[in-house]
Amino acid sequence: QSVLTQPPSVSAAPGQKVTISCSGSSSNIGNNYVSWYQQLPGTAPKVLIYDNNKRPSGIPDRVSGSKSGTSATLGITGLQTGDEADYYCGTWDSSLSEGVFGGGTKLTVL
Amino acid sequence: EVQLVESGGGLVQPGGSLRLSCAASGFTFSSYWMSWVRQAPGKGLEWVANIKQDGSEKYYVDSVKGRFTISRDNAKNSLYLQMNSLRAEDTAVYYCARDPYSFHFDYWGQGTLVTVSS
Repeated sequence: QSVLTQPPSVSAAPGQKVTISCSGSSSNIGNNYVSWYQQLPGTAPKVLIYDNNKRPSGIPDRVSGSKSGTSATLGITGLQTGDEADYYCGTWDSSLSEGVFGGGTKLTVL
Repeated sequence: EVQLVESGGGLVQPGGSLRLSCAASGFTFSSYWMSWVRQAPGKGLEWVANIKQDGSEKYYVDSVKGRFTISRDNAKNSLYLQMNSLRAEDTAVYYCARDPYSFHFDYWGQGTLVTVSS
């Protein structure tokens, strides 16, 4: 049971938009920065979003992040088959003094 | 080029010990928090532990407290994870990851597999 809650799966057609939610509490998302990671099969995770809504260099602007209260959202527009992957949110939990990840969301591009 | 290379994984019996290493290059290792993150087969990511730049602060996920110890040698640009009293549920790929600030990971190693089984 993860501290951060993500939907197990989402799907959308190529070219469409998808959002992935990440729900937490005041001790984690509510008071700390959220980051998002993409993990392709058999590879290490890659950061897509940090500090709630910042994109590292090389991440296209069709990828976005937002945070409101104790929830965060990852958005991807113009979906491509190459976006099929597992996506994870992560943050620090100040009450636990531990890092926490969501359970992960599998994105299928139909 | 930033590189993180883990080593030390393998097959170990329950109750046994293993020491993972992560060799860092391409950046000033002593300027960064570092973390270990693991992923059990077919499961999600789980943060394991992190350590401050000078080693003065260390944090652990509750399930490994008292069994795992994170450490670093800035002179050798290396991160370590000493794992004792290993359990079947510790079986996972272990990644080392760099944290520039605000608890996010901008570089990851390729991972090393730890299998705890008799």
